[in-house]
Amino acid sequence: NAGVTQTPKFQVLKTGQSMTLQCAQDMNHEYMSWYRQDPGMGLRLIHYSVGAGITDQGEVPNGYNVSRSTTEDFPLRPLSAAPSQTSVYFCASSSAGTGNYEQYFGPGTRLTVT
Amino acid sequence: GEDVEQSLFLSVREGDSSVINCTYTDSSSTYLYWYKQEPGAGLQLLTYIFSNMDMKQDQRLTVLLNKKDKHLSLRIADTQTGDSAIYFCAESPRGYNKLIFGAGTRLAVHP
Repeated sequence: NAGVTQTPKFQVLKTGQSMTLQCAQDMNHEYMSWYRQDPGMGLRLIHYSVGAGITDQGEVPNGYNVSRSTTEDFPLRPLSAAPSQTSVYFCASSSAGTGNYEQYFGPGTRLTVT
Repeated sequence: GEDVEQSLFLSVREGDSSVINCTYTDSSSTYLYWYKQEPGAGLQLLTYIFSNMDMKQDQRLTVLLNKKDKHLSLRIADTQTGDSAIYFCAESPRGYNKLIFGAGTRLAVHP
Protein backbone atom coordinates (compact mmCIF):
# COMPACT_ATOMS: atom_id res chain seq x y z
CA ASN A 1 0.00 0.00 0.00
CA ALA A 2 1.21 3.51 -0.79
CA GLY A 3 -0.86 4.89 2.11
CA VAL A 4 -1.75 8.57 1.75
CA THR A 5 -0.09 10.42 -1.10
CA GLN A 6 -0.09 14.15 -1.76
CA THR A 7 0.96 16.17 -4.77
CA PRO A 8 2.63 18.50 -5.35
CA LYS A 9 5.21 18.60 -2.57
CA PHE A 10 5.84 22.32 -3.08
CA GLN A 11 3.78 25.00 -4.82
CA VAL A 12 4.22 28.75 -5.26
CA LEU A 13 1.22 30.82 -6.31
CA LYS A 14 0.66 34.49 -6.93
CA THR A 15 -2.23 36.19 -5.12
CA GLY A 16 -5.48 35.41 -6.89
CA GLN A 17 -4.28 32.30 -8.68
CA SER A 18 -5.85 28.93 -8.07
CA MET A 19 -4.72 25.33 -8.19
CA THR A 20 -5.61 21.98 -6.69
CA LEU A 21 -3.81 20.13 -3.92
CA GLN A 22 -4.23 16.45 -4.61
CA CYS A 23 -4.69 13.74 -1.99
CA ALA A 24 -5.24 10.04 -2.55
CA GLN A 25 -5.35 6.98 -0.30
CA ASP A 26 -5.41 3.30 -1.16
CA MET A 27 -6.58 1.92 2.19
CA ASN A 28 -10.32 2.14 1.42
CA HIS A 29 -10.76 4.57 4.31
CA GLU A 30 -14.10 6.30 4.67
CA TYR A 31 -12.83 9.41 6.42
CA MET A 32 -10.51 11.93 4.84
CA SER A 33 -9.44 15.30 6.17
CA TRP A 34 -7.39 18.34 5.26
CA TYR A 35 -5.35 20.22 7.86
CA ARG A 36 -3.10 23.22 7.69
CA GLN A 37 -0.07 23.55 9.90
CA ASP A 38 1.23 26.95 10.91
CA PRO A 39 4.10 27.64 13.33
CA GLY A 40 3.02 27.48 16.97
CA MET A 41 -0.58 26.60 16.07
CA GLY A 42 -0.53 22.87 15.60
CA LEU A 43 -2.84 21.42 12.98
CA ARG A 44 -6.18 23.02 12.20
CA LEU A 45 -8.91 21.16 10.39
CA ILE A 46 -10.03 22.79 7.13
CA HIS A 47 -12.58 20.34 5.67
CA TYR A 48 -13.34 16.69 6.12
CA SER A 49 -15.35 13.96 4.48
CA VAL A 50 -17.03 10.89 5.96
CA GLY A 51 -17.51 9.19 2.60
CA ALA A 52 -17.84 9.71 -1.14
CA GLY A 53 -20.22 12.55 -1.91
CA ILE A 54 -20.18 13.94 1.64
CA THR A 55 -18.04 16.83 2.86
CA ASP A 56 -18.21 19.11 5.86
CA GLN A 57 -16.45 22.15 7.24
CA GLY A 58 -13.79 22.02 9.88
CA GLU A 59 -12.33 24.77 12.03
CA VAL A 60 -10.92 27.02 9.27
CA PRO A 61 -12.89 26.33 6.05
CA ASN A 62 -13.09 29.83 4.58
CA GLY A 63 -11.26 30.29 1.30
CA TYR A 64 -11.10 26.58 0.45
CA ASN A 65 -13.23 24.19 -1.54
CA VAL A 66 -13.23 20.36 -1.45
CA SER A 67 -14.98 17.54 -3.22
CA ARG A 68 -15.16 13.78 -2.69
CA SER A 69 -16.33 12.05 -5.84
CA THR A 70 -14.52 8.79 -5.04
CA THR A 71 -13.46 7.02 -1.88
CA GLU A 72 -9.80 7.33 -2.86
CA ASP A 73 -9.47 11.04 -3.70
CA PHE A 74 -10.04 14.22 -1.72
CA PRO A 75 -8.68 17.30 -3.52
CA LEU A 76 -8.42 20.72 -1.86
CA ARG A 77 -8.71 23.95 -3.80
CA PRO A 78 -7.81 27.38 -2.43
CA LEU A 79 -10.51 29.49 -4.09
CA SER A 80 -8.39 32.58 -4.83
CA ALA A 81 -4.97 32.33 -3.30
CA ALA A 82 -4.07 34.83 -0.58
CA PRO A 83 -0.82 35.24 1.39
CA SER A 84 -2.73 34.12 4.51
CA GLN A 85 -2.99 30.68 2.89
CA THR A 86 0.77 30.23 2.94
CA SER A 87 1.11 27.09 5.03
CA VAL A 88 1.89 23.40 5.02
CA TYR A 89 -1.15 21.31 4.15
CA PHE A 90 -1.64 17.76 5.32
CA CYS A 91 -4.19 15.27 4.13
CA ALA A 92 -5.19 12.40 6.41
CA SER A 93 -7.45 9.37 6.22
CA SER A 94 -8.95 7.00 8.73
CA SER A 95 -11.31 4.08 8.93
CA ALA A 96 -14.73 4.46 10.56
CA GLY A 97 -13.95 1.37 12.62
CA THR A 98 -14.87 1.32 16.27
CA GLY A 99 -14.57 5.00 17.05
CA ASN A 100 -10.79 5.04 17.05
CA TYR A 101 -10.00 7.90 14.75
CA GLU A 102 -6.37 7.02 14.22
CA GLN A 103 -5.41 9.06 11.20
CA TYR A 104 -2.82 8.29 8.57
CA PHE A 105 -1.11 11.40 7.24
CA GLY A 106 0.36 12.23 3.88
CA PRO A 107 3.81 13.87 3.60
CA GLY A 108 2.38 17.37 3.16
CA THR A 109 2.28 20.12 0.53
CA ARG A 110 4.10 23.36 1.25
CA LEU A 111 2.14 26.21 -0.36
CA THR A 112 3.59 29.71 -0.64
CA VAL A 113 1.40 32.58 -1.86
CA THR A 114 3.19 35.76 -2.83
CA GLY B 1 -15.19 24.03 23.98
CA GLU B 2 -12.46 21.97 22.43
CA ASP B 3 -8.91 22.87 23.29
CA VAL B 4 -5.69 20.92 23.69
CA GLU B 5 -2.68 22.59 25.28
CA GLN B 6 0.96 21.61 25.39
CA SER B 7 4.17 23.35 26.29
CA LEU B 8 6.05 24.31 23.14
CA PHE B 9 9.59 23.21 23.89
CA LEU B 10 11.50 20.59 25.89
CA SER B 11 15.24 20.00 25.98
CA VAL B 12 16.76 16.84 27.47
CA ARG B 13 20.13 15.15 27.62
CA GLU B 14 20.66 11.95 25.66
CA GLY B 15 19.92 8.93 27.87
CA ASP B 16 17.59 10.83 30.22
CA SER B 17 13.81 10.43 30.30
CA SER B 18 11.57 12.95 28.56
CA VAL B 19 8.11 13.81 29.80
CA ILE B 20 5.76 15.71 27.52
CA ASN B 21 2.54 16.96 29.06
CA CYS B 22 -0.83 17.81 27.58
CA THR B 23 -4.17 19.02 28.88
CA TYR B 24 -7.46 18.66 27.05
CA THR B 25 -10.95 19.95 27.66
CA ASP B 26 -13.45 17.50 26.17
CA SER B 27 -14.24 14.82 28.73
CA SER B 28 -16.19 12.86 26.10
CA SER B 29 -13.03 12.00 24.19
CA THR B 30 -12.85 8.25 23.84
CA TYR B 31 -9.31 8.04 22.59
CA LEU B 32 -6.30 10.27 23.15
CA TYR B 33 -3.31 10.19 20.87
CA TRP B 34 0.35 11.05 20.61
CA TYR B 35 1.73 11.80 17.15
CA LYS B 36 5.36 12.42 16.17
CA GLN B 37 6.49 14.72 13.36
CA GLU B 38 10.06 14.59 12.14
CA PRO B 39 11.46 17.53 10.13
CA GLY B 40 9.91 17.85 6.69
CA ALA B 41 7.58 14.90 7.22
CA GLY B 42 3.95 14.23 8.00
CA LEU B 43 2.63 13.06 11.35
CA GLN B 44 3.04 9.47 12.48
CA LEU B 45 0.94 7.89 15.19
CA LEU B 46 3.18 6.97 18.14
CA THR B 47 0.62 5.56 20.50
CA TYR B 48 -2.91 6.07 21.76
CA ILE B 49 -4.80 5.35 24.95
CA PHE B 50 -8.44 4.47 25.47
CA SER B 51 -10.18 6.72 27.95
CA ASN B 52 -10.95 3.92 30.42
CA MET B 53 -7.23 3.24 30.91
CA ASP B 54 -4.85 5.03 33.28
CA MET B 55 -1.62 3.88 31.75
CA LYS B 56 -0.26 2.27 28.61
CA GLN B 57 3.28 1.09 28.09
CA ASP B 58 4.87 0.35 24.72
CA GLN B 59 8.61 -0.33 24.82
CA ARG B 60 10.26 3.01 25.72
CA LEU B 61 6.96 4.88 25.72
CA THR B 62 4.65 5.26 28.71
CA VAL B 63 1.36 7.13 28.45
CA LEU B 64 -0.37 8.29 31.62
CA LEU B 65 -3.96 9.53 31.62
CA ASN B 66 -5.59 11.43 34.47
CA LYS B 67 -9.22 11.78 33.42
CA LYS B 68 -10.19 13.81 36.47
CA ASP B 69 -7.66 16.52 35.63
CA LYS B 70 -7.91 15.93 31.87
CA HIS B 71 -4.15 15.51 31.75
CA LEU B 72 -2.19 13.27 29.43
CA SER B 73 1.55 12.68 29.46
CA LEU B 74 4.06 10.86 27.30
CA ARG B 75 7.25 9.57 28.87
CA ILE B 76 10.13 8.50 26.64
CA ALA B 77 12.73 6.44 28.49
CA ASP B 78 16.40 6.55 27.49
CA THR B 79 15.84 9.42 25.06
CA GLN B 80 17.96 9.25 21.91
CA THR B 81 18.90 11.87 19.32
CA GLY B 82 16.52 10.12 16.93
CA ASP B 83 13.67 11.09 19.25
CA SER B 84 14.21 14.77 18.39
CA ALA B 85 10.93 15.82 16.76
CA ILE B 86 7.67 17.63 17.41
CA TYR B 87 5.17 15.65 19.48
CA PHE B 88 1.47 16.37 19.15
CA CYS B 89 -1.22 15.44 21.62
CA ALA B 90 -4.72 14.97 20.13
CA GLU B 91 -8.20 14.12 21.32
CA SER B 92 -11.21 12.80 19.44
CA PRO B 93 -14.42 14.19 20.95
CA ARG B 94 -17.22 11.64 20.97
CA GLY B 95 -19.51 11.97 17.98
CA TYR B 96 -17.03 13.92 15.88
CA ASN B 97 -15.07 12.34 13.06
CA LYS B 98 -12.04 14.45 13.72
CA LEU B 99 -9.03 15.01 15.90
CA ILE B 100 -8.29 18.15 17.87
CA PHE B 101 -4.53 18.75 18.03
CA GLY B 102 -2.38 20.66 20.44
CA ALA B 103 0.23 23.08 19.09
CA GLY B 104 2.99 20.47 19.49
CA THR B 105 6.01 20.16 21.78
CA ARG B 106 9.42 20.38 20.13
CA LEU B 107 11.76 17.90 21.81
CA ALA B 108 15.46 18.64 21.45
CA VAL B 109 17.91 15.93 22.57
CA HIS B 110 21.49 17.03 23.21
CA PRO B 111 24.60 14.98 24.04
